[in-house]
Amino acid sequence: KAGVTQTPRYLIKTRGQQVTLSCSPISGHRSVSWYQQTPGQGLQFLFEYFSETQRNKGNFPGRFSGRQFSNSRSEMNVSTLELGDSALYLCASSPLGSPKNIQYFGAGTRLSVL
Amino acid sequence: GESVGLHLPTLSVQEGDNSIINCAYSNSASDYFIWYKQESGKGPQFIIDIRSNMDKRQGQRVTVLLNKTVKHLSLQIAATQPGDSAVYFCAEKWDNDMRFGAGTRLTVKP
Repeated sequence: KAGVTQTPRYLIKTRGQQVTLSCSPISGHRSVSWYQQTPGQGLQFLFEYFSETQRNKGNFPGRFSGRQFSNSRSEMNVSTLELGDSALYLCASSPLGSPKNIQYFGAGTRLSVL
Repeated sequence: GESVGLHLPTLSVQEGDNSIINCAYSNSASDYFIWYKQESGKGPQFIIDIRSNMDKRQGQRVTVLLNKTVKHLSLQIAATQPGDSAVYFCAEKWDNDMRFGAGTRLTVKP
């Protein structure tokens, strides 16, 4: 079974631009969560989608948004990029009804904002 | 040891020795805990989990200990190998929320 796939792996943008990151979950997984990882703050939860609906949301500004498609693939978008948005963005998927909420992570997209 | 949101501590051990990685979690209502391993250039990988009604759980070469009295979690790795070099972090879960620690970098010296 293929793992969680994130594209692109690396991205360089400039301040003010917007960016879209993509995540394909493990086949059969319907929950997709997004995280931002930085050296100073560690892993911070952005949002979770389940069956095309946002189920949970972390404490990030409205510039960060996401969506999920009917095939469970998900995208996240960051508008008006700031230097502080430079981070590793990780996507994780979970099986339907997983009581333990074990998440399977992709390798991430490394975003650099110049 | 590790505290959520602070600097990344490091642990250096000799190959073959046992490693102990610590985590201080924040919420006394947390009922489920997970340890993840993150190697360079990869996403976090599930290692082992434990529910709050347990105080110890063993896996292959790994043991997780939970002390709810002092909100402390530890990961013990037996006979540490070079392939164990990575960042390890704990996660605590309560209701629908999950919070991750900042991580500990484990370096295994040959």
